[in-house]
Amino acid sequence: DVKVTQSSRYLVKRTGEKVFLECVQDMDHENMFWYRQDPGLGLRLIYFSYDVKMKEKGDIPEGYSVSREKKERFSLILESASTNQTSMYLCASRGTAGGTDTQYFGPGTRLTVL
Amino acid sequence: AQTVTQSQPEMSVQEAETVTLSCTYDTSENNYYLFWYKQPPSRQMILVIRQEAYKQQNATENRFSVNFQKAAKSFSLKISDSQLGDTAMYFCAPRSSLGGATNKLIFGTGTLLAVQP
Repeated sequence: DVKVTQSSRYLVKRTGEKVFLECVQDMDHENMFWYRQDPGLGLRLIYFSYDVKMKEKGDIPEGYSVSREKKERFSLILESASTNQTSMYLCASRGTAGGTDTQYFGPGTRLTVL
Repeated sequence: AQTVTQSQPEMSVQEAETVTLSCTYDTSENNYYLFWYKQPPSRQMILVIRQEAYKQQNATENRFSVNFQKAAKSFSLKISDSQLGDTAMYFCAPRSSLGGATNKLIFGTGTLLAVQP
């Protein structure tokens, strides 16, 4: 079974702190994604990566950056956390079979910024 | 760009009954893919069912089936013989076929389904 893991289930940080959210997948997938999930807004794509060191902005990249130095690991960075970044963050990965290939999700990190 | 509408924020169904969750979307493409994902309380998001737009036959996975109406751009999910474990948030998510495998899922706002004993 594909496994996507995230470094923390719950995280509490203070305004202005630099925050790292880590995601690791074990299926050698090329594509990895970071979403944030907020009530009534569904999932919104922050950034995605289609290969090592490659990244593309999603729909809401402001205030975030990402890093993909190894194929299995995709990090989301909040350079200076703000209260409006309090949210559930979901990581996902997907192979390049195309078509209806499945996207697998991690368990999520619930981040609270005080 | 594709947009997705799930018009039912919350639904409730009795155990063993059938429920249908609606989804409509907007796209200018002729070929694309459609997915339903399920997120149980405090658990990971998992794929429920998927459909290729070029296929006329509706997809079925055990108790889950879809009613895909391409002209109407509608992709509803039917859950038969509902079980308590079906309680979850359900997301509809189309994806373009253009540009290859890096295409993104576009998620609706979700429908929270509660199965009552």
